[in-house]
Amino acid sequence: ETGVTQTPRHLVMGMTNKKSLKCEQHLGHNAMYWYKQSAKKPLELMFVYSLEERVENNSVPSRFSPECPNSSHLFLHLHTLQPEDSALYLCASSQEGLGGYTFGSGTRLTVV
Amino acid sequence: KQEVTQIPAALSVPEGENLVLNCSFTDSAIYNLQWFRQDPGKGLTSLLLIQSSQREQTSGRLNASLDKSSGRSTLYIAASQPGDSATYLCTPPPGANSKLTFGKGITLSVRP
Repeated sequence: ETGVTQTPRHLVMGMTNKKSLKCEQHLGHNAMYWYKQSAKKPLELMFVYSLEERVENNSVPSRFSPECPNSSHLFLHLHTLQPEDSALYLCASSQEGLGGYTFGSGTRLTVV
Repeated sequence: KQEVTQIPAALSVPEGENLVLNCSFTDSAIYNLQWFRQDPGKGLTSLLLIQSSQREQTSGRLNASLDKSSGRSTLYIAASQPGDSATYLCTPPPGANSKLTFGKGITLSVRP
């Protein structure tokens, strides 16, 4: 394990479903991130949480809703997604003052 | 806005060859620079982290150098192996918990 655990590893959902992605970090870091990686595209930042407060929302549609209940857990709630939202969703964490980022293994999301 | 360029986009080499992967960035006011590898459909694995005050870092067969003034970093892989086949990404964030900017990476294939 990398220290950042994401579940589930794979998810297939219909456009009317509601689901959540979970990320947990075991590194004592104080910042967590959601990234989206679509086929043939660079990684795109979605959300940043620092000390459990959202500090950046990178113009992400409201059908994606993040939640950070504590410094170790990060969720991405999904509802009424579109097929173009199918992608690999990656969670990362880092520690203020030290730098360096640790990524999870990702959740492969398919919207049908 | 930081822009990261990695050229070439793809590289194929025979096993045993020494090789250099290049990374260039437009804004030299960086906090550090981190190299990752990504296997298909997987998350990012951190390879090396170079602080802005450092010139290079080494880990096993890997050596990464940083030249902030010219906006360049190189990743040197010695005696390449088929297991090194992956996409390699560099990212130079401006601060400890800042937004990471990714290029498209270099997809390396090492032929047996």
